[in-house]
This record gives sequence, C-alpha cells and structure tokens, in this order.
Amino acid sequence: RKEVEQDPGPFNVPEGATVAFNCTYSNSASQSFFWYRQDCRKEPKLLMSVYSSGNEDGRFTAQLNRASQYISLLIRDSKLSDSATYLCVVRRYSGAGSYQLTFGKGTKLSVIP
Amino acid sequence: NAGVTQTPKFRVLKTGQSMTLLCAQDMNHEYMYWYRQDPGMGLRLIHYSVGEGTTAKGEVPDGYNVSRLKKQNFLLGLESAAPSQTSVYFCASSYRWGKENQPQHFGDGTRLSIL
Repeated sequence: RKEVEQDPGPFNVPEGATVAFNCTYSNSASQSFFWYRQDCRKEPKLLMSVYSSGNEDGRFTAQLNRASQYISLLIRDSKLSDSATYLCVVRRYSGAGSYQLTFGKGTKLSVIP
Repeated sequence: NAGVTQTPKFRVLKTGQSMTLLCAQDMNHEYMYWYRQDPGMGLRLIHYSVGEGTTAKGEVPDGYNVSRLKKQNFLLGLESAAPSQTSVYFCASSYRWGKENQPQHFGDGTRLSIL
C-alpha cells in the first residue's frame, strides 16, 4: 500500500458545484497533514493545514480522521480559478531529529464554465 | 521577497554530462529539500538537509549528490546524467519542525531534459 493515496481524477465540475477530494495514508505515526495546490507547470503551494478538529478557510474545508487514516478536502461554490491539481501531504518523523513530507500523486480538478 | 529561487529554470543535457542545480532561500529556513516530479509519480524526495553542513538521503537518491555549505543554499549535482533523470526538479525549504505545522515553500522548478 502506498504511503499516501489519492483518487487521481480528473474531476470535471461546473462552476458553483461542491467537490470533495479524499486521501488515505498508511503510516499511523504520521503527525501533520496538509493540502497543497499545484497549477499546471507551476510549483506546489500550501493551500491549508489539516487539523484534527477540522478547519475551514473560506470555501475550503479540511477534515482529518486519524482512526481511519483519512483526510478530505471540500470545495464549495467552485470557481474557474480552482482548476488545479490538489496534493495530499503527510508529515512523519523520519529519525535523527528530522521529518519528511510524503506527497500524494494529486487529484486533478477542472472547473467548467 | 524572493523566497526560494532555483537556477537554471531549463536545461538540456547529453547523457553523461554533469551539472549542478542551485537552490537559494532568503527566509532563514533550517531545512531544505530537493524533489523530482514525474508524470504519474507525484513528488519524490531526492535528498534533504536539516542544517548547514548536513545532508541526508530521501526516497530516490541514486545518481544525485547534494551539498549545503551555506544555510541559504542547497546544491543538487548530477555527476553523469542519464535519460531517466529527465524530470522537473523542485527545491523547497521550511523552518525547523516544531509543535506548529511548518509548511514547505517551493521554488518554481527546473525542467531538465537528458538526451
């Protein structure tokens, strides 16, 4: 089982739709979780951290279920500018005082006019 | 505010040639990373550094070497380039991990083609 798994998509949704992305992780020792956004031919950029209690940032809501080792991202009222690839990212301790991030392969979203 | 700067942005090499990719950050970050991103593979960690003078192997270190002589710079070297190293390379940096979630900040990538 891959350490971080995501549905690759693509998700093609109309403007205004609500879309949800799921992510599962295999290492129960994982400590921190993030969603990154990557536009075509650009670098990944942090969208939001994911907290155990769930957190919201405008139209974006992230949820974490540690028992199920599952992370989600909900986007409400989709905009054309939301079209991108969304990367699920998990941080774990890798020994010798250092930490590593593991990236999922990403879920591609296309918002259609 | 430059953030993370990678040079060069594009490069074409012949098999067997060597080159060095430079990453510079001006945020005083302790940690720096080199990733490669290939279609269908996602981002994979090549090497990383937790501080000046220290480096460690990531997931796919073979064929690459790194150096962190100064805190702000992290160099990725290809001693003898191979076509399998054709990829987009991203450098990232972050503060030392603590109790707070510390995100990684990425450079805008180096597109490297090995013929």
